[in-house]
Amino acid sequence: AQSVAQPEDQVKVAEGNPLTVKCTYSVSGNPYLFWYVQYPNRGLQFLLKYITGDNLVKGSYGFEAEFNKSQTSFHLKKPSALVSDSALYFCAVRDNTGFQKLVFGTGTRLLVSP
Amino acid sequence: DAGVIQSPRHEVTEMGQEVTLRCKPISGHNSLFWYRQTMMRGLELLIYFNNNVPIDDSGMPEDRFSAKMPNASFSTLKIQPSEPRDSAVYFCASTGLSTLGGEQFFGPGTRLTVL
Repeated sequence: AQSVAQPEDQVKVAEGNPLTVKCTYSVSGNPYLFWYVQYPNRGLQFLLKYITGDNLVKGSYGFEAEFNKSQTSFHLKKPSALVSDSALYFCAVRDNTGFQKLVFGTGTRLLVSP
Repeated sequence: DAGVIQSPRHEVTEMGQEVTLRCKPISGHNSLFWYRQTMMRGLELLIYFNNNVPIDDSGMPEDRFSAKMPNASFSTLKIQPSEPRDSAVYFCASTGLSTLGGEQFFGPGTRLTVL
């Protein structure tokens, strides 16, 4: 079965520093990978996806993610963190049942300090 | 597009009462998903539909929970009778063949409090 793991419950960075939120995956076949962000009292918001092609995927709000097949990872990155980036981040992989079901990780809370 | 619409945004009810949550997916999307989010259990998939047909309801916690999708533009999640442990935020999400890769789009959620 498809799965993703987010090994960190929380990540803390200072504003202006680069940030990385980690995600590893386990799939049979080619992975379809996604990152979502959830701000307080809001729904999950799609950030970016990897389907095929370039290993570096660019998304909304200056975020990008690097797909690494050999390490089965899909880490979310941003060169310079903002306080407003503080939120809950979810990694997800598309299930291979054919119905576009996503399997989500447990989430990583990002805290950016001023 | 207005995005996924959920109503009500907040619901406070007493134990034993029936609760109905509503969702309007994005026009043209043919898959709809209901999730529940709590601090203790995180994000859980309850049930999902494809072309208005329930595909997998294995995430529905108990027989007290039921969901319907009578047409492509409307779905309901019903809890009868409700219990305090049902208190959570319930999200609806949709996707379709037009979204290459299958990313889902989430509604704002319904925050349910059962007293």
